[in-house]
Amino acid sequence: DIQMTQSPSSLSVSVGDRVTITCRASQSISSYLNWYQQRPGKAPKLLISDASSLQSGVPSRFRGSGSGTDLTLTISSLQPEDFATYYCQQTHSFPYTFGQGTKLEIK
Amino acid sequence: EVQLVESGGGLVQPGGSLRLSCVASGFTLSSYEMNWVRQAPGKGLEWLSYINSGGAIQNADSVRGRFTISRDIAKNSLYLQMNSLRVEDTAVYYCAREPGLGPRDGMDVWGQGTTVTVSS
Repeated sequence: DIQMTQSPSSLSVSVGDRVTITCRASQSISSYLNWYQQRPGKAPKLLISDASSLQSGVPSRFRGSGSGTDLTLTISSLQPEDFATYYCQQTHSFPYTFGQGTKLEIK
Repeated sequence: EVQLVESGGGLVQPGGSLRLSCVASGFTLSSYEMNWVRQAPGKGLEWLSYINSGGAIQNADSVRGRFTISRDIAKNSLYLQMNSLRVEDTAVYYCAREPGLGPRDGMDVWGQGTTVTVSS
């Protein structure tokens, strides 16, 4: 199974900050990596697929990059609605696996 | 409107069974790849099971032999039959759609989730 390790697990940040979340795969997953946002009590929302393809309606401040084993999600200027938990997920091979999540908290 | 609505969760004793349902609207469920994903209280997301348009199925080791994914084309519905339930199966269960573009797509439509509690 491919293990996905996300870092950091939590981050205390302020509105306007630039945030980078990293996902490291235990083996190469090419670009088969998705990013989700989950707000408390809500279902996850797909932000980015195939490492860097922004989903329709997702603000351009979200950017995905990388390939192979190290991939990142960058939020260029954090907005109040971005305080949530973010998960990466690999779809390179079954079983699909998620990272453990990164919770963004207000500083 | 494209939507998934889960139902069937509830309280069940260890060793018991439940069948979760996920009704799709706004699209034809059998034309897409469908998944079940769960989230234990305060924990992260765990992928469980997958079925593609051709009916091929994949399962996580944690549920293989206990949980079965299926669908009813006429009812535009997805199911998860859960047997031999354990306390550690307590979670919110989500159904989620993949567009079917292969490994390049993610789960673009999710249901609201249904809660399963396994306790004596």
